[in-house]
Amino acid sequence: GENVEQHPSTLSVQEGDSAVIKCTYSDSASNYFPWYKQELGKGPQLIIDIRSNVGEKKDQRIAVTLNKTAKHFSLHITETQPEDSAVYFCAASIKESSASKIIFGSGTRLSIRP
Amino acid sequence: NAGVMQNPRHLVRRRGQEARLRCSPMKGHSHVYWYRQLPEEGLKFMVYLQKENIIDESGMPKERFSAEFPKEGPSILRIQQVVRGDSAAYFCASSLATGGYAEAFFGQGTRLTVV
Repeated sequence: GENVEQHPSTLSVQEGDSAVIKCTYSDSASNYFPWYKQELGKGPQLIIDIRSNVGEKKDQRIAVTLNKTAKHFSLHITETQPEDSAVYFCAASIKESSASKIIFGSGTRLSIRP
Repeated sequence: NAGVMQNPRHLVRRRGQEARLRCSPMKGHSHVYWYRQLPEEGLKFMVYLQKENIIDESGMPKERFSAEFPKEGPSILRIQQVVRGDSAAYFCASSLATGGYAEAFFGQGTRLTVV
C-alpha cells in the first residue's frame, strides 16, 4: 500500500522567511496530493492540493510542486507570518472511479519566530 | 452549508466501557473516512466507508473496533471494551462521491480519554 514520508518533523523559521516541507510517496499510482494545516485543538484544514497532471500550483503565499518521476512533492510558504504556525500534513491518494483512502505523512510542526 | 460535524467533542470512558463516536458528513457527501491521531503524532487511516458499505478497513484493529455508515443518519465509530491505549483524537472526513478529485473535509474531532 501507499506510504508517505514527510520531512522535517519540526521547522522553525524567522517571520518573513520561507518555509519548505518535503514529502515522498511510494505508490506510483497516486495521483492526488493534498496538504492540510492543523491548528491546536482543531481538525485538519485543506489548504492546497495538486494533481498528477501538473507540476506546480500556487495560491498567494503557498505553492506546491510535484515531481512524479522522483515521487516527491513539496509545500513552499513564502513571507511567513505568525498565523502560519501550525502542524502541516502532506497526503497522497489514488483518485479513480472507485475512490480510495487518503494516506498522510507524519506531519511537520512549523513555528514562526517573531 | 455546515461542515463535517463530529460529536461528542470530548468523551471520557472507563476501561471496559463502550465508546460511540458520531460523524455527520457535509451535505451531499457520501464518502466518510475515519482517522486516529495520538498526541504529537500524525493521522492514521482507520476505515473508509460509503453509504451502507465498508470500502477499506485495512487500518482498523481486528478486535473491538467497528464502523458503519447507514443509509440514514451519521457514521458511527464504535470501540468496545475500551483500554487506555485507545485514548486519542478521532477525526472524521467526508468527500463527494468520486469519479474525480473530490477534496476531503475534516471535522473537529472527538477526543477520547480512557480512565
